[in-house]
Order: sequence, then structure tokens, then C-alpha cells
Amino acid sequence: GNSVTQMEGPVTLSEEAFLTINCTYTATGYPSLFWYVQYPGEGLQLLLKATKADDKGSNKGFEATYRKETTSFHLEKGSVQVSDSAVYFCALTTRNFNKFYFGSGTKLNVKP
Amino acid sequence: DAGITQSPRHKVTETGTPVTLRCHQTENHRYMYWYRQDPGHGLRLIHYSYGVKDTDKGEVSDGYSVSRSKTEDFLLTLESATSSQTSVYFCAISESRGNTGELFFGEGSRLTVL
Repeated sequence: GNSVTQMEGPVTLSEEAFLTINCTYTATGYPSLFWYVQYPGEGLQLLLKATKADDKGSNKGFEATYRKETTSFHLEKGSVQVSDSAVYFCALTTRNFNKFYFGSGTKLNVKP
Repeated sequence: DAGITQSPRHKVTETGTPVTLRCHQTENHRYMYWYRQDPGHGLRLIHYSYGVKDTDKGEVSDGYSVSRSKTEDFLLTLESATSSQTSVYFCAISESRGNTGELFFGEGSRLTVL
């Protein structure tokens, strides 16, 4: 089956620290991989995506590389800001079914 | 921002009463989804629709039904609400089939069942 596992939070960092949020997946076929972000009181919004192996998605200083050999899609940012405080969700969708599978979310707290 | 409106945004109801949540989109997207979000579980798919009158079950569909009579509207109904259905419900839409599509989310509907 299809599933996504991401590291549990919360993750607390100081401003300008380096961020890594781990995400691994199990999927049939060739999935696309996504990171979504949810700010307090809002719905989720797409942060970045990668549709095939070795692709790197990037946006707003965040990056993630689709690693087929390790079935991973870890989220990284070199220098976090207080405004990055949010919940981050890793997700996948498969070619055939147009269903999206989400991880449980990782809350990030960035302190000034 | 994608034109997705959920209503009501907040609702408190009692066990055993029926509840309908509405999702309205102005994007003319083919696919529509209902998710619930609970602490420790992330987002779980309840039902989804791939066209007018075409719907299918997700992973947590028990106790829920859906209808889609028009492209723009996707209704989620709890026939007899239970306390375990207290949650935040999100509607999402997508245009592309397969593995390149992006989901656009509404702002959520917070339901409390007493």
C-alpha cells in the first residue's frame, strides 16, 4: 500500500538554525512527492513538489530531493525564520488513483 | 488563492443529530476531496469525487456520506453525529489526474459533537 512516515515533532529551533524534517514513503508505482505547510488557523498550502526520482523541489528557501533508493523526501532549509513556524506535511500521490496520502505532520517552532 | 469556500466554518452539535458540511469551488476543478484532521493522525481521506455524481470512499469513510450534484459543490453528511467525529474537516480540490496534480485546500470547518 501507500503511506508516508515523517518525524514526530515538535521541532524547536532558534532563528537562523538549519532545519531538516525527515520523510520516508512506501508506494506502489511511481509516486509524486509533496511538502505542504499549514499556518495556524489556515488550510494546507503547497510548499514544494517533485515528480520523479532525483528531482529537487524548492521554494522560499526550502528544498527536498526525491530519493528513490532510500524512499525519502527530506525537507531542508539553511536558515529558518520565526515566520516559518508552522506544521509541515509530507505527502504522496500515485499515478493511477489521484489519491493523496499524508504523513502525520511535524510542528516547527522557531524562536527569535 | 484557489476559490474554495467551506461552510459552516464552525459548528457545535449534539450526538445523534445530522450534520452537513458544504464545499463550494469556483475553479471548475474535476476532483474534490474531504479530509479530517486530528492530532497525531495528520490528514485522513474520508471521501473523494472524480466528477459529478462520481464518488468513492477514502480510508475513514464509515459514518459519512457525500454527494456531488454539481461540479462546484461537494457535500459531506454525517447522518448521526458521534463524539468521535469531532474534528477539523478540510475540503480540497485538484484538476490534474495522476501524479502531477496539486491539492488546493479550503480553510477548514471545525465540528464539535457534544
